[in-house]
Amino acid sequence: GQQLNQSPQSMFIQEGEDVSMNCTSSSIFNTWLWYKQDPGEGPVLLIALYKAGELTSNGRLTAQFGITRKDSFLNISASIPSDVGIYFCAGYTGTASKLTFGTGTRLQVTL
Amino acid sequence: ETGVTQSPTHLIKTRGQQVTLRCSSQSGHNTVSWYQQALGQGPQFIFQYYREEENGRGNFPPRFSGLQFPNYSSELNVNALELDDSALYLCASSWTGSEKLFFGSGTQLSVL
Repeated sequence: GQQLNQSPQSMFIQEGEDVSMNCTSSSIFNTWLWYKQDPGEGPVLLIALYKAGELTSNGRLTAQFGITRKDSFLNISASIPSDVGIYFCAGYTGTASKLTFGTGTRLQVTL
Repeated sequence: ETGVTQSPTHLIKTRGQQVTLRCSSQSGHNTVSWYQQALGQGPQFIFQYYREEENGRGNFPPRFSGLQFPNYSSELNVNALELDDSALYLCASSWTGSEKLFFGSGTQLSVL
C-alpha cells in the first residue's frame, strides 16, 4: 500500500536542540496529522492540520500544512529525553477514517 | 474515560492457522479501524467498521475479515496465516467520519 515519504529516516540529537522533519506525498490530502509512537505502544496523536498553509503548535511542537497540500513539516524545540520515539505523519482524504501513514522518523536524544 | 484496549498483547501462530484479535473502543466512539504495522514501517489501513458493517477497506485479501458488535467492540480475523502476516496489529477508535484516531497498544502477531 501507499506510504508517505518522511525524512530524515532517523536522527540523533543532543538534549536542548531543535528538530525538524518533513513528510511528502504524491497525492493531495485534506488533513495532515502527526503521531508519535513509543516502543510497544500504539501511535499517539500530536497535532492535526486542516488548511493549506496552516501553522499549529502544541507546546514545544509546531507543525505546518504545506501550501501544495502534498507535504507537511514538524518542528520540536528544545528537545528533551522523553521526545525519543518514532514520529509518523499521516494524510487524510475524508474517506472512511482511512489514514495514509508515512515511513516514520526515528528520533534519539542524547544527554 | 477508558482508552482503546486490545487483546492479546502477543500471539504466536503457525502458517495456515487462523487467528482472532480483539479490540474495545474508547468510550463514546462508534467507529473502529484496524491497521497492520510491519517492522520498521508505518501502519497500513486494513478496514473500518461502523454500525456493525465494513465501511472502507485497504489493499488486503478477503482472508482478513472483521466484526463489530453492538457495544462498538471489534474483532479482526485472519485465516490461512502466512509468514508475511507477522506484524503489529493496531486497533483505533473514533467518532464517525473523524480523522482523529485513537490507537490501542496493539497485538504483536508472529507467524512461524
